[in-house]
Amino acid sequence: QLQLQESGPGLVKPSETLSLTCTVSSDSISSSSYYWGWIRQPPGKGLEWIGSIYYSGNTFYNPSLMSRVTISVDTSKNHFSLKLNSVTAADTAVYYCARQVTVFGAVKWFDPWGQGTLVIVSS
Amino acid sequence: EIVMTQSPATLSVSPGERATLSCRASQSVRNNLAWYQQKPGQAPRLLIYGASTRATGIPARFSGSGSGTELTLTISSLQSEDSAVYYCQQYNNWPQTFGQGTKLEIK
Repeated sequence: QLQLQESGPGLVKPSETLSLTCTVSSDSISSSSYYWGWIRQPPGKGLEWIGSIYYSGNTFYNPSLMSRVTISVDTSKNHFSLKLNSVTAADTAVYYCARQVTVFGAVKWFDPWGQGTLVIVSS
Repeated sequence: EIVMTQSPATLSVSPGERATLSCRASQSVRNNLAWYQQKPGQAPRLLIYGASTRATGIPARFSGSGSGTELTLTISSLQSEDSAVYYCQQYNNWPQTFGQGTKLEIK
């Protein structure tokens, strides 16, 4: 059964870069049927899509974060990564990674999700 | 950006009754909509995709309907374990967007 696991520092200082990795197990990240996405959820709030990546490196980003976000993929390690620079307290959230189904090239719903990792931005 | 508006914000329903959750889109999303269930401390779980197709392992009491700008999630015969926050997500346009969630409480 496919599993996704987020990893990375749980505490980041303001103005620094948040870096997370999502490791995929029991499936190949190089499957042509899926994109791989990042979603975040501030404490007590709703979900915000950050961006998605294909195994080839093709990416889609949320325009609201695009200037600060980089998502990359390493097929040899079967993982993909998120970098968010110049963070502030507003970037404090649980960060989820998830697999995203594609149908005839269109990127669709998220399933499954990783368990999420809380990242706090604080000095 | 398509804005997804969910209503009500909170819904309190007795066990065995029906819950109807609404998701309204600021422009048509056709049937490109998913519903997720999130329990406290857990990741969201896919319930419905394509507006009306249940995901694998989802009980038949969960059903989705609608298309365009008005979509609905119905949970018939509520059970205590259905207490959660429910989110809709449109994937018709970039950026993909979520509703703000409906908190479902079981009386």
